Amino acid sequence: AQTVTQSQPEMSVQEAETVTLSCTYDTSESDYYLFWYKQPPSRQMILVIRQEAYKQQNATENRFSVNFQKAAKSFSLKISDSQLGDAAMYFCAYRRMRGAQKLVFGQGTRLTINP
Amino acid sequence: DARVTQTPRDKVTEMGQEVTMRCQPILGHNTVFWYRQTMMQGLELLAYFRNRAPLDDSGMPKDRFSAEMPDATLATLKIQPSEPRDSAVYFCASGTSTDTQYFGPGTRLTVL
Repeated sequence: AQTVTQSQPEMSVQEAETVTLSCTYDTSESDYYLFWYKQPPSRQMILVIRQEAYKQQNATENRFSVNFQKAAKSFSLKISDSQLGDAAMYFCAYRRMRGAQKLVFGQGTRLTINP
Repeated sequence: DARVTQTPRDKVTEMGQEVTMRCQPILGHNTVFWYRQTMMQGLELLAYFRNRAPLDDSGMPKDRFSAEMPDATLATLKIQPSEPRDSAVYFCASGTSTDTQYFGPGTRLTVL
């Protein structure tokens, strides 16, 4: 069974600084998707970024980028120029490309932005 | 701006009562998921449907939970009878077979 591990229950960063959230996963599959979702206090789950495992290029979305290391099964999220609105729980998630499509989530990292 | 909708947003009920949660997936999405979020277990899949047919409900307690898709625009999750341990946030998400899952705002259920 696939598992996702986020080893940092909490992180904090100064506004305008850069922060990296860690995620590792375990799978025997070669093709899959990885995601980062953000959950602010409103509890809405918001997609931040997505990575296809067959793509070597790291995904980027504005201030958000990932460092995808397939051999190491690592998928970290870097947030540049942190803003107060980035404060939230961040969840790393895995999904098989074929077969069962459920998302397998990590336990989450609570990110605090200090003004 | 297409989005998944869920009702009710919050529900407080007493143990033993029936609870029904509803979800309207994004138009054109053929796959619908129900997830439950608790402090102890985190986010876990309860069930999912593709083209309205149930594909996996292994995460759902069968004796009290049921999930259906009466039509392509409505998915329901019922709990009967409800118990305090069912208190959680229940999310509906929709997507296509190769696409990202988009989540609704969730239903926060409190069973007293």
